[in-house]
Amino acid sequence: SQQGEEDPQALSIQEGENATMNCSYKTSINNLQWYRQNSGRGLVHLILIRSNEREKHSGRLRVTLDTSKKSSSLLITASRAADTASYFCATLKAAGNKLTFGGGTRVLVKP
Amino acid sequence: DGGITQSPKYLFRKEGQNVTLSCEQNLNHDAMYWYRQDPGQGLRLIYYSQIVNDFQKGDIAEGYSVSREKKESFPLTVTSAQKNPTAFYLCASTLDRLLGGYTFGSGTRLTVV
Repeated sequence: SQQGEEDPQALSIQEGENATMNCSYKTSINNLQWYRQNSGRGLVHLILIRSNEREKHSGRLRVTLDTSKKSSSLLITASRAADTASYFCATLKAAGNKLTFGGGTRVLVKP
Repeated sequence: DGGITQSPKYLFRKEGQNVTLSCEQNLNHDAMYWYRQDPGQGLRLIYYSQIVNDFQKGDIAEGYSVSREKKESFPLTVTSAQKNPTAFYLCASTLDRLLGGYTFGSGTRLTVV
């Protein structure tokens, strides 16, 4: 079963706009991670946020975590065509030893 | 450069055959993982290994087998018992699951012909 579920499943925006996607999960976590996957390629780790953190930034990426709502959001600011990819959230359960991935959000950034 | 190498990139299997997918890493990571990805879907865990000579089943282990004889290598065998093996297979590793993310290989696309 999927621990994390992303919303929306697909997102289409113009270059320069911001892209926001959300992830909900079901059980207590140790950390939550976001990954990017370009078509037909492996996943690339973007950012990790621990359960005791509420917000984290990395370049044009901003991640928030609300453990009371069991949800996280990923914001990509000033999007570029190169940001076109699928984005996945993954959770490490508290006392767990493996990541569980959601179904992903497919983002299309139009030039 | 350190990383994970998966081979081959494309693999074709006849029904009833076993095939082995290779995964090698030079990152000195203890933990390694195999995931399966179907078109338009997320990743599902097949097997994982936290240390040499030890491995555990993931969520969809039936029809698959692994070995971990060396720290650097974690091969996955797709057996004839796997009824729907056509998929994209991803190998990953991590130094510390609590502090860092996974490093992924570039994947092997397996097709049954």
